[in-house]
Amino acid sequence: DVKVTQSSRYLVKRTGEKVFLECVQDMDHENMFWYRQDPGLGLRLIYFSYDVKMKEKGDIPEGYSVSREKKERFSLILESASTNQTSMYLCASSLSAWDMKTDTQYFGPGTRLTVL
Amino acid sequence: AQSVTQLGSHVSVSEGALVLLRCNYSSSVPPYLFWYVQYPNQGLQLLLKYTTGATLVKGINGFEAEFKKSETSFHLTKPSAHMSDAAEYFCAVSIIQGAQKLVFGQGTRLTINP
Repeated sequence: DVKVTQSSRYLVKRTGEKVFLECVQDMDHENMFWYRQDPGLGLRLIYFSYDVKMKEKGDIPEGYSVSREKKERFSLILESASTNQTSMYLCASSLSAWDMKTDTQYFGPGTRLTVL
Repeated sequence: AQSVTQLGSHVSVSEGALVLLRCNYSSSVPPYLFWYVQYPNQGLQLLLKYTTGATLVKGINGFEAEFKKSETSFHLTKPSAHMSDAAEYFCAVSIIQGAQKLVFGQGTRLTINP
C-alpha cells in the first residue's frame, strides 16, 4: 500500500512565524503535490514537484515556497504565516507526471493549520 | 481551460435511497475524470476514474459514474446509500501543464439519514 504521511495533523502558529509542513511518501513516486482545502473551494494546488530539486507553481503559490531535497520528502514553507493561511493542507504523490491514464494521486491525511 | 463544477454543496439522502452526485466539466481536450472521497479527518481516496473506453465506470464501495460527452457530465451514483457513505466527495479533471495535474470541483458533502 502506498503511504503518504504528513508530520502533523493539527498545528497552531502565530502570525509572522515561519512554518514548515512536511510530507513523506514511501513508494518511490516521482511527483509530489501540495494542496490547500477550504470549504466551498475544493482543493487548490499550491506547488508540485516532478523530480528532486524541481518545483513548479500551482494555482495559488503566493505566500508559500517548497523544498524537495530527497525524492521521498516534500516540504511546504510559509515564510511568514498570516491568518488567511489558516486552512487544511493536503499532500499527495503519484508515480509519474506523464501518464494520468494509469497513474493515481495518493493523498496524506492532511494538516489542519491555524494561524492566530 | 479545464474546470469542474459540482452541483450542490450538500446532498442528503435516506439510508437505502439512491445517491446521485452531479459533476460537470469543461475541457478543450478529451478529459480524464476522477471521483475522490474524503471521510472525516482523513485524506482523499480515489473512488473511480474514467480515462478512455467504456463510459460507465465502476468504483469501490458500490459507486459508479457515467461519462457523457454530449452533456459534459460525470455524475456519481450508488443504488442504495449506506450510513458509511457519509463523507465529502470531489470530482476532478486532469489537465496538462508541463506535467499532468488535477483540477478539483468544490466538493459535495453527503449526509445519510437513518
